[in-house]
Amino acid sequence: GAGVSQSPRYKVAKRGQDVALRCDPISGHVSLFWYQQALGQGPEFLTYFQNEAQLDKSGLPSDRFFAERPEGSVSTLKIQRTQQEDSAVYLCASSSRGGVSFYEQYFGPGTRLTVT
Amino acid sequence: AQSVTQLDSQVPVFEEAPVELRCNYSSSVSVYLFWYVQYPNQGLQLLLKYLSGSTLVESINGFEAEFNKSQTSFHLRKPSVHISDTAEYFCAVSAGTGNQFYFGTGTSLTVIP
Repeated sequence: GAGVSQSPRYKVAKRGQDVALRCDPISGHVSLFWYQQALGQGPEFLTYFQNEAQLDKSGLPSDRFFAERPEGSVSTLKIQRTQQEDSAVYLCASSSRGGVSFYEQYFGPGTRLTVT
Repeated sequence: AQSVTQLDSQVPVFEEAPVELRCNYSSSVSVYLFWYVQYPNQGLQLLLKYLSGSTLVESINGFEAEFNKSQTSFHLRKPSVHISDTAEYFCAVSAGTGNQFYFGTGTSLTVIP
């Protein structure tokens, strides 16, 4: 596709509900990143995929957060039993694998999650 | 872990005036440095990057940033701003040996007509 797309753009969940956020990276991009951006803050790293392999999940804040990319393209970030502190914008980014291209991340518009 | 500090949360500046957005990072290893811009209701876009070579890097729309290793800074500058430069600007750093990118808290640049 022309760019990184994310869906839904907005999600309101009641505390305790499970949510699933989708990311469609740029076609052919091997690397995929998820970030969490709280209000007034910069993006914070959550997890990284290279193709279907989740190589780094050190930024996931708790075991309620789970991400997958089973076929190496579309990725889903799942949050179980949502809490109010999970309210944030969730950003997805993708990049090519080779050399310095890895560092040129293309971001999606984000999903704004509000937990009530 | 890396950390990135953007001291100015909001910067108002008159149109055609110069501007500097400050960014400092903490690291004792080689780093890659980035500036991202987020226009209203849009996603983050890469503005410019420093990976190696010349310490002065430029973007296509007149911004430039200089990597200063001794001061661990990567300040963003533009000699004459336009209304269209109004946006949120984020500085980011990667250690170059891992997969993690660390972002600052952002600087909101408002250009006043």
